[in-house]
Amino acid sequence: DSGVTQTPKHLITATGQRVTLRCSPRSGDLSVYWYQQSLDQGLQFLIQYYNGEERAKGNILERFSAQQFPDLHSELNLSSLELGDSALYFCASTPDGFYGYTFGSGTRLTVV
Amino acid sequence: GESVGLHLPTLSVQEGDNSIINCAYSNSASDYFIWYKQESGKGPQFIIDIRSNMDKRQGQRVTVLLNKTVKHLSLQIAATQPGDSAVYFCAGESGGSYIPTFGRGTSLIVHP
Repeated sequence: DSGVTQTPKHLITATGQRVTLRCSPRSGDLSVYWYQQSLDQGLQFLIQYYNGEERAKGNILERFSAQQFPDLHSELNLSSLELGDSALYFCASTPDGFYGYTFGSGTRLTVV
Repeated sequence: GESVGLHLPTLSVQEGDNSIINCAYSNSASDYFIWYKQESGKGPQFIIDIRSNMDKRQGQRVTVLLNKTVKHLSLQIAATQPGDSAVYFCAGESGGSYIPTFGRGTSLIVHP
């Protein structure tokens, strides 16, 4: 157990729907990162939060949004889902927003 | 931007052999590199890192070599064991972004 908790582990939903993925960072870590892993694109950085504030944004679609709450857990919201959004979504956390990534086990999203 | 890629998608070795996984990067400003191991059903796990002011760094059974001239790094695993079977990713950071860019991954298969 890495200490980063992601729920749910698996999610199957239909095109056009909206889902929320949840991440609890490792105890004491202030920064949370979201990554998408698909077979043809590898691990793609989506967005980073630090202590509740957005710090960096990567290749995140406008249909996707995220936030980090006061208790430091984070949620990634995916809407108007398309078949191509099927992927593994990973959350990682670091103590200070710099080094020492710890990844969760991921949420496997399948859009049918 | 940064582009990081691995040379081979799959590497098969016999138990006890030494394994070498290679990675190339495009951005000469990259100054920090990390190797991750991802086992099936799990998130990436930190193995070893190296900064651009170093050529070599050793860990337990692993060595990372960095050649800045040709923008290449490698991960050497000594006495490879079946438990080393996983996908290995290199990742690079540049310009103080603190957001690693991941390569596609090499699947290491260790035959007993």
